[in-house]
Amino acid sequence: GAGVSQSPSNKVTEKGKDVELRCDPISGHTALYWYRQSLGQGLEFLIYFQGNSAPDKSGLPSDRFSAERTGGSVSTLTIQRTQQEDSAVYLCASSLVVTRTNTEAFFGQGTRLTVV
Amino acid sequence: AQKITQTQPGMFVQEKEAVTLDCTYDTSDPSYGLFWYKQPSSGEMIFLIYQGSYDQQNATEGRYSLNFQKARKSANLVISASQLGDSAMYFCAMRLNYGGSQGNLIFGKGTKLSVKP
Repeated sequence: GAGVSQSPSNKVTEKGKDVELRCDPISGHTALYWYRQSLGQGLEFLIYFQGNSAPDKSGLPSDRFSAERTGGSVSTLTIQRTQQEDSAVYLCASSLVVTRTNTEAFFGQGTRLTVV
Repeated sequence: AQKITQTQPGMFVQEKEAVTLDCTYDTSDPSYGLFWYKQPSSGEMIFLIYQGSYDQQNATEGRYSLNFQKARKSANLVISASQLGDSAMYFCAMRLNYGGSQGNLIFGKGTKLSVKP
């Protein structure tokens, strides 16, 4: 596809269940980002993948959160034992990373997660 | 660690007037990029404008311009001739070009702009 694709677009889950959110970045983009956005709030950085480098996991809020990026392409964000405070929109973005060049990040439409 | 600060949670502007949205950043790295994104109520993130730390000229894109003051570490967005469709959240972001987290993109908390008819 032409853009960043995220699935599912909406997910309702029961407290305590595990969920997996998927992100399919733009082909050829080496950088992939996950953010969380609560209603009316800013973008909270979660994790950043760049090529074959070790991911920057400094934004993950707890050890219930983890993410993988397989083959340098598709990424999955996993939340274990979901809590109500995990309810938010999870946004994925991808970009080329070229030093000193305008390479903006392109965002998916997000996954709205609701924990009941 | 890098940090982006947007001090205006909400702003109002009259249609056809200009408005400035503030953004300050904090980094000790010499090479970085600054971005502004718009997020309408539909939720999509729309890239507006980019400024590189070594760029001599302030960036401009149509009605958007970036007032880049490197010594003050500020990168304010100026929207000229506001339109009703400009009502949205606006986010400032910074990407470092070097270092342990090269390429990571960090956002501010955003400013909600409301354009009044």
